Amino acid sequence: GEDVEQSLFLSVREGDSSVINCTYTDSSSTYLYWYKQEPGAGLQLLTYIFSNMDMKQDQRLTVLLNKKDKHLSLRIADTQTGDSAIYFCAADGNYQLIWGAGTKLIIKP
Amino acid sequence: EADIYQTPRYLVIGTGKKITLECSQTMGHDKMYWYQQDPGMELHLIHYSYGVNSTEKGDLSSESTVSRIRTEHFPLTLESARPSHTSQYLCASSTCSIRGPLHFGNGTRLTVT
Repeated sequence: GEDVEQSLFLSVREGDSSVINCTYTDSSSTYLYWYKQEPGAGLQLLTYIFSNMDMKQDQRLTVLLNKKDKHLSLRIADTQTGDSAIYFCAADGNYQLIWGAGTKLIIKP
Repeated sequence: EADIYQTPRYLVIGTGKKITLECSQTMGHDKMYWYQQDPGMELHLIHYSYGVNSTEKGDLSSESTVSRIRTEHFPLTLESARPSHTSQYLCASSTCSIRGPLHFGNGTRLTVT
């Protein structure tokens, strides 16, 4: 079946860039999403990219899409303590979003 | 700024009780969803709805039921709560015009003792 995979943890120093990676299997996915979840809260949509785009930038966030390799990445520039959260990658499937397991971003001072 | 509301925020209840988790959205979205998520873990779709009087089961087998009598309201009911139901329940909604994105409520953290 369709699948989305992410590494479970990423540790970066405050002020550095964070790069969170995601791979997906469904080549027909049209939209690919990044969501952020802070402790005890629901998920917040961060950004999304349409499958005919290679890159999308929104302030400190840059999304790169390699459709050939089915690889998606989220780069957070100048990572701050407030960026500490779990980041979920999702790809649209037939009737629902297919979710990754989430990457926990840990910020070191 | 949440346009999708879940109540209660936290619930601790004894085994065998009937509970209803409420979810309402003010955005006029047709699609609504219920996800189950253990803390910090992946999301599992348990129910979804395309609109009024439409309900479908998701991938994760669940002993819960849902109803969609009004566009804005999508309650989830557990007839007899068990400790295995302890989890976080997230409600979400989306428009039908595109495949996502989803707007999430803040969740209900359920503990069954």
